[in-house]
Amino acid sequence: DADVTQTPRNRITKTGKRIMLECSQTKGHDRMYWYRQDPGLGLRLIYYSFDVKDINKGEISDGYSVSRQAQAKFSLSLESAIPNQTALYFCATSDLAGGDTGELFFGEGSRLTVL
Amino acid sequence: GQNIDQPTEMTATEGAIVQINCTYQTSGFNGLFWYQQHAGEAPTFLSYNVLDGLEEKGRFSSFLSRSKGYSYLLLKELQMKDSASYLCAAIDSNYQLIWGAGTKLIIKP
Repeated sequence: DADVTQTPRNRITKTGKRIMLECSQTKGHDRMYWYRQDPGLGLRLIYYSFDVKDINKGEISDGYSVSRQAQAKFSLSLESAIPNQTALYFCATSDLAGGDTGELFFGEGSRLTVL
Repeated sequence: GQNIDQPTEMTATEGAIVQINCTYQTSGFNGLFWYQQHAGEAPTFLSYNVLDGLEEKGRFSSFLSRSKGYSYLLLKELQMKDSASYLCAAIDSNYQLIWGAGTKLIIKP
C-alpha cells in the first residue's frame, strides 16, 4: 500500500459543484501539503499544514479550502469548482526532524476536470 | 522575487550522458532537491544538496554551487526509462520549496 494515498484518483465534475480531495498518510509525518500541477508550470502550493492545529495558505489558495482532520488526514475542498481549476493535484508529506532533509513524499495524484 | 530556471526540454541518446541545469534565486537558501516525474505520476526524490560539490548516487549525480546559485543533475548511461521530467526545487529561508517548471528529458534509441 502507498504511504500517501489520495482519493479520488480521477474526477470529472461540472462548474459550480463542490469537490473534496482526500489525502491520508501512514508515514507519521507532521507536515502535509496540497499542490496543483499544470502543464508547463511547476508545482504550485495551495495550502500546507505543519500540525493538526496549523493551517497556512500557499501561493494559490483562492478558491480552495482545507481541513486537517488528524495528523494522518488532510483534505482539500473546492467550494464551487470552475474550469481553470482543472489540474493534477498532489498531496505530499514531509518531516523536518533530526537532520532530515525535509524531502517530500507525494501521493499518486488526483486528476480533476471541471467542465 | 524568487525564481527557479531550468530548460523546458532536452533530448539525449540512449547510453549517453546528459546534464540538466538549474539556476535559482531565493530569499535565503537551505538546500536544493531534484525529483524525477514520469508522465502522469507523482514526483519521486532523486537527490538533495546543501553543501557545494558533487553528490553521486549510482548513474545519477547532483552538483551545487551556492555562490553561483546553480545546480545540475548529471545522468549517465542513459536508459529509455529515464525519459521523464526532472524537477529542481530550492528551499528558501522559511523552509518553503520554490519549484522550477521541470525539464522534460526525451531519450532516443
